[in-house]
Amino acid sequence: AQSVTQLGSHVSVSEGALVLLRCNYSSSVPPYLFWYVQYPNQGLQLLLKYTTGATLVKGINGFEAEFKKSETSFHLTKPSAHMSDAAEYFCAVSPSGTYKYIFGTGTRLKVLA
Amino acid sequence: EAGVTQFPSHSVIEKGQTVTLRCDPISGHDNLYWYRRVMGKEIKFLLHFVKESKQDESGMPNNRFLAERTGGTYSTLKVQPAELEDSGVYFCASSPQQGVTGNTIYFGEGSWLTVV
Repeated sequence: AQSVTQLGSHVSVSEGALVLLRCNYSSSVPPYLFWYVQYPNQGLQLLLKYTTGATLVKGINGFEAEFKKSETSFHLTKPSAHMSDAAEYFCAVSPSGTYKYIFGTGTRLKVLA
Repeated sequence: EAGVTQFPSHSVIEKGQTVTLRCDPISGHDNLYWYRRVMGKEIKFLLHFVKESKQDESGMPNNRFLAERTGGTYSTLKVQPAELEDSGVYFCASSPQQGVTGNTIYFGEGSWLTVV
């Protein structure tokens, strides 16, 4: 069965520091991979996605993620954290591009001044 | 263009009562989905409509949950009777025809349900 693991339910970084949110998945078929963000009192917003092609994917707000098949990982990074990045981040996998997304449990990012 | 809208945003009901959640997808989107996040757990798929037809309802937890999409536009999700474990956030999402946007689905803000 497919699954998604997000290491760390809470992550704190200082403003200006590197953001690294980890996501590992298991899938028996080629997956599509997504990162969604939920800001306070808002819905889930797509940050970026990987379907095929280039394994380094750039998203909105300076975030990027790299698909590493050998490590079954899709970690999310941002070189310099901003206070406005404080939110909850969800990694999701869509086996073979189906609509039935499988989500991780989420990582709440706190940015310290 | 309006996004996926959900109503109510928050609802507090007593155990045994009925609640109906509504979702208006993005205009023109044939596919509509319901997902749920129980407190502290992952977001889980509930069901999928294509227009007015239920394509996949394998994620519906039990027969206390009833989803409809009459006319292929908005959808409702009714919980009757509500139990304590139904508390959580119910997300609605939509997408156009398969293949148009590479399988990205667009989520609403969620309906927060608390059963007391």
